[in-house]
Amino acid sequence: SAVISQKPSRDICQRGTSLTIQCQVDSQVTMMFWYRQQPGQSLTLIATANQGSEATYESGFVIDKFPISRPNLTFSTLTVSNMSPEDSSIYLCSVLRTGDAYEQYFGPGTRLTVT
Amino acid sequence: AQTVTQSQPEMSVQEAETVTLSCTYDTSESDYYLFWYKQPPSRQMILVIRQEAYKQQNATENRFSVNFQKAAKSFSLKISDSQLGDAAMYFCAYRSAEGGTSYGKLTFGQGTILTVHP
Repeated sequence: SAVISQKPSRDICQRGTSLTIQCQVDSQVTMMFWYRQQPGQSLTLIATANQGSEATYESGFVIDKFPISRPNLTFSTLTVSNMSPEDSSIYLCSVLRTGDAYEQYFGPGTRLTVT
Repeated sequence: AQTVTQSQPEMSVQEAETVTLSCTYDTSESDYYLFWYKQPPSRQMILVIRQEAYKQQNATENRFSVNFQKAAKSFSLKISDSQLGDAAMYFCAYRSAEGGTSYGKLTFGQGTILTVHP
């Protein structure tokens, strides 16, 4: 299995500010993803974090709002920029590891509240 | 694009009884994976069970089993001998097994809140 940590676990931010969420994995992984879970809702994929290149964003999500970095095979960051109350969600990091094609591991999530 | 539908927003079961959660999906692909994830109040997503579409045999993990009907595009989860610790939000999810831009991406259903009564 893969052990994933996320920082911070929760935060309360003011509108107009930005927050960077970190995701650290205990082993090298093939793919890293960022999901958003709005209150009481399901998970929606924001983007795939690509190592050494620009992230691949899903429809409805843009780089200016959610810049993502992945400098190596075990670490990624997601920034939520110019926040508004609508950005209040749980943000989850997920990884898929080479040779472990079936199981996708999730971090504990970051609960973001924007006031 | 693939879609996953869970038509039961909430379900409840008595402790030690059996409950079935429903999930249907839509895809034009022939090779894919299906998953059930559990999300307790701690927010941690926990894999409950997985099914490879090419396998006809239904997956089973201890008290959890699935009824996979590929032609009907149905993937239900049966929880036997329900325990208080089973109370959580359950998500059905689809993942393509084909390469390309869809690789590794999970598509989730809306979720079903399961309550277990003592």
